[in-house]
Amino acid sequence: AQKITQTQPGMFVQEKEAVTLDCTYDTSDPSYGLFWYKQPSSGEMIFLIYQGSYDQQNATEGRYSLNFQKARKSANLVISASQLGDSAMYFCAMRSTVGGFKTIFGAGTRLFVKA
Amino acid sequence: DARVTQTPRHKVTEMGQEVTMRCQPILGHNTVFWYRQTMMQGLELLAYFRNRAPLDDSGMPKDRFSAEMPDATLATLKIQPSEPRDSAVYFCASGPARLTGRMTGELFFGEGSRLTVL
Repeated sequence: AQKITQTQPGMFVQEKEAVTLDCTYDTSDPSYGLFWYKQPSSGEMIFLIYQGSYDQQNATEGRYSLNFQKARKSANLVISASQLGDSAMYFCAMRSTVGGFKTIFGAGTRLFVKA
Repeated sequence: DARVTQTPRHKVTEMGQEVTMRCQPILGHNTVFWYRQTMMQGLELLAYFRNRAPLDDSGMPKDRFSAEMPDATLATLKIQPSEPRDSAVYFCASGPARLTGRMTGELFFGEGSRLTVL
């Protein structure tokens, strides 16, 4: 069965510092996709970054990078130079490539950026 | 500007009443997902469709929840009868069923329907 685990219910980071949000997953699918979404207090879900299971390089999008360690089944999100606007809930998600792209989410990590 | 549209945005109802939530996926997207978000459970997958066919609804309480896609532009989630424990934000999301080129296949979410059952 597929599973996403985010073990950090809440995290604090000082403005301008980097922070790592943890995500581990479990799947038997040979091919899958990993995603991070941001949910600010307004409630919308915002796609941040994607990593394919066969991608050789870690994904990067601006200040976001995904530390993908396939053997350890981890896909941690790194936010560099944190900003106050980064305060939000962050969800890790995994998409199966079988069964119609089933996508499941972790429980989320709430990030607080301190001025 | 393509987006997923959900109605109603807010619903307050009494226990035992029927609740229907609607979702218009992005035109051309043929996978549609329903999620429920609560403080305790995070984002739970309730059901999802591909080309209007239900693929998995194992996340739904079958005795009271039902999900359908009567056509490609409408997905519905119905709760009958509703209970206080159903109070949550219900999200609909859509995505492409086939990835080409550099598509990542991320999901596009609606704004959610906040349900309160008294």
